[in-house]
Amino acid sequence: DVKVTQSSRYLVKRTGEKVFLECVQDMDHENMFWYRQDPGLGLRLIYFSYDVKMKEKGDIPEGYSVSREKKERFSLILESASTNQTSMYLCASSLGLGPQHFGDGTRLSIL
Amino acid sequence: DQQVKQNSPSLSVQEGRISILNCDYTNSMFDYFLWYKKYPAEGPTFLISISSIKDKNEDGRFTVFLNKSAKHLSLHIVPSQPGDSAVYFCAAPRGTSGTYKYIFGTGTRLKVLA
Repeated sequence: DVKVTQSSRYLVKRTGEKVFLECVQDMDHENMFWYRQDPGLGLRLIYFSYDVKMKEKGDIPEGYSVSREKKERFSLILESASTNQTSMYLCASSLGLGPQHFGDGTRLSIL
Repeated sequence: DQQVKQNSPSLSVQEGRISILNCDYTNSMFDYFLWYKKYPAEGPTFLISISSIKDKNEDGRFTVFLNKSAKHLSLHIVPSQPGDSAVYFCAAPRGTSGTYKYIFGTGTRLKVLA
């Protein structure tokens, strides 16, 4: 079974902090994704990566950056956290055209 | 660009009856769709898919129907069980370069009443 592991289930940070969310997958998938889920808005794509060191912006990249130095690891960075970035963050990976496999999410609160 | 709409934010069904969740899309360039189920405090899990070469795909109690002319798909759960209570998302290819990128609907919260 594919396992996508997100480093924290719950995280509380302060406004202006730099925040790192980590995601690791164990199935050698080339594609990795970061989404945020907000009530009534579904899953919105922040960034995705189709290979090591390759990345593309999704629908809502403002205020975020990503890093993919190794195939199995995809990090989401909040450069200067703001309260409107309080959300559930979901990482996913996929192989080719196959379905995406998700981690359990990180619930991030920015105070 | 692709748009995916799930117009029913919530649905309540009696245990043992059929649950029908609906999804509409706009871009038929890539006809391959996914359904996911999400429990609270967990990530979405892949449930079932369908491609344009079929108009129906079945997996146990779950069946997805695709109506290409109407750009509509539906997920049927028969019989519904209390453990099916979750949020269900449909997803469609974005229709831009790279069909491995999907756009998700806003979800339908299904509640199955015992």
